[in-house]
Amino acid sequence: AQTVTQSQPEMSVQEAETVTLSCTYDTSESDYYLFWYKQPPSRQMILVIRQEAYKQQNATENRFSVNFQKAAKSFSLKISDSQLGDAAMYFCAYSGYNFNKFYFGSGTKLNVKP
Amino acid sequence: DGGITQSPKYLFRKEGQNVTLSCEQNLNHDAMYWYRQDPGQGLRLIYYSQIVNDFQKGDIAEGYSVSREKKESFPLTVTSAQKNPTAFYLCASSIVTEANEKLFFGSGTQLSVL
Repeated sequence: AQTVTQSQPEMSVQEAETVTLSCTYDTSESDYYLFWYKQPPSRQMILVIRQEAYKQQNATENRFSVNFQKAAKSFSLKISDSQLGDAAMYFCAYSGYNFNKFYFGSGTKLNVKP
Repeated sequence: DGGITQSPKYLFRKEGQNVTLSCEQNLNHDAMYWYRQDPGQGLRLIYYSQIVNDFQKGDIAEGYSVSREKKESFPLTVTSAQKNPTAFYLCASSIVTEANEKLFFGSGTQLSVL
């Protein structure tokens, strides 16, 4: 079974600074999808960014970007110009290319200091 | 607007009681999922369904049951056999194609034991 590992239970960043959240995964598949989801205190899950494994170019969405290292099975999230509203739990997730279950990491709690 | 509706938002279960969590989607998605989230932890898959009248066990199905009689509905029953049911339950849906899109989430149900 695929596993997703987030080794940083909690992180802190100063407002306007940059922070990187780490994620590694284990799979034997060559094609798959990776996701970062944000869960604010409301507990509503929000998709932040999505990466297709067959694409070499790293995905970006405004202040959010990823560093996808397929050989190393690493998928980190970089948040630039951090804002107070970025404070949340962040979950890394994996899904196979054909229909498959979505696997989630244990999450990283991000604190943003004013 | 299209989305996923979970009800109730809060639910309390008495000892030995079965309770049912509702999940309805109007996104015309084929696949639906139930996840359990314990405090400070990631999401664990309880059950999932790709098509009507068919569903599969996830990683923690014991003590739970589901049905998929209609495409838009995927209720979860927490039975008395589930000895530790207190958790946050999230319902999700996705398009089933060769390329997995993303998970759309409901707003969740917090289940507590009286």
